[in-house]
Amino acid sequence: QTVVTQEPSLTVSPGGTVTLTCASSTGAVTSGYFPNWFQQKPGQAPRALIYGTSNRHSWTPARFSGSLLGGKAALTLSGVQPEDEAEYYCLLYFGGAVFGGGTKLTVL
Amino acid sequence: QVQLVQSGAEVKKPGASVKVSCEVSGYTFTDYAITWVRQAPGQGLEWMGWISGYNGNTNYAQKLQDRVTMTTDTSTSTAYMELRSLTSDDTAVYYCARDDPVTTIKPDYWGQGTLVTVSS
Repeated sequence: QTVVTQEPSLTVSPGGTVTLTCASSTGAVTSGYFPNWFQQKPGQAPRALIYGTSNRHSWTPARFSGSLLGGKAALTLSGVQPEDEAEYYCLLYFGGAVFGGGTKLTVL
Repeated sequence: QVQLVQSGAEVKKPGASVKVSCEVSGYTFTDYAITWVRQAPGQGLEWMGWISGYNGNTNYAQKLQDRVTMTTDTSTSTAYMELRSLTSDDTAVYYCARDDPVTTIKPDYWGQGTLVTVSS
């Protein structure tokens, strides 16, 4: 059973920059895992942010960027806004797919 | 605009089955796939599986493959997810999402979710 690990929680100041990561129990994450990132606010459905490691959807603000960093998938938020406070999930493809446990991002 | 509209909340007894529907509009159903995801109360997201809107090919999560069946009806642009032998652990919000036609690599538009409660 593949496990995908994210930081449980992070805190960032408004206007700051924060990087969330997504690691696989199978080893280094590569582009072949097609990393996706999603944002979810309480009581809402998830919203897709990033697909294929670094591609933004048409609705994704430019302050969200995806990359590979040190063997992990990464989501960087630059110029964080108060409305970015949410839970963030990554998804990796292994033939099937597995979500990470989520990172609760607090903007304080 | 792309929309995925799911069926309403369900309450089921342990051992029963539930079938959730996901009706899509705003795009050609057979050009994409549908991925199903669930979220237990206060928990994270769980990938359940993927079904092609083109030919009905499926890819289920190993943990659920004995109890889940995903189907499509191209005439109504609707996808279905049936889960059998329900237990309290299946209490969750179930989501459908439009996905890449080849495999589950790009879930973009999501349905509003369907709450399934399993209780005696």
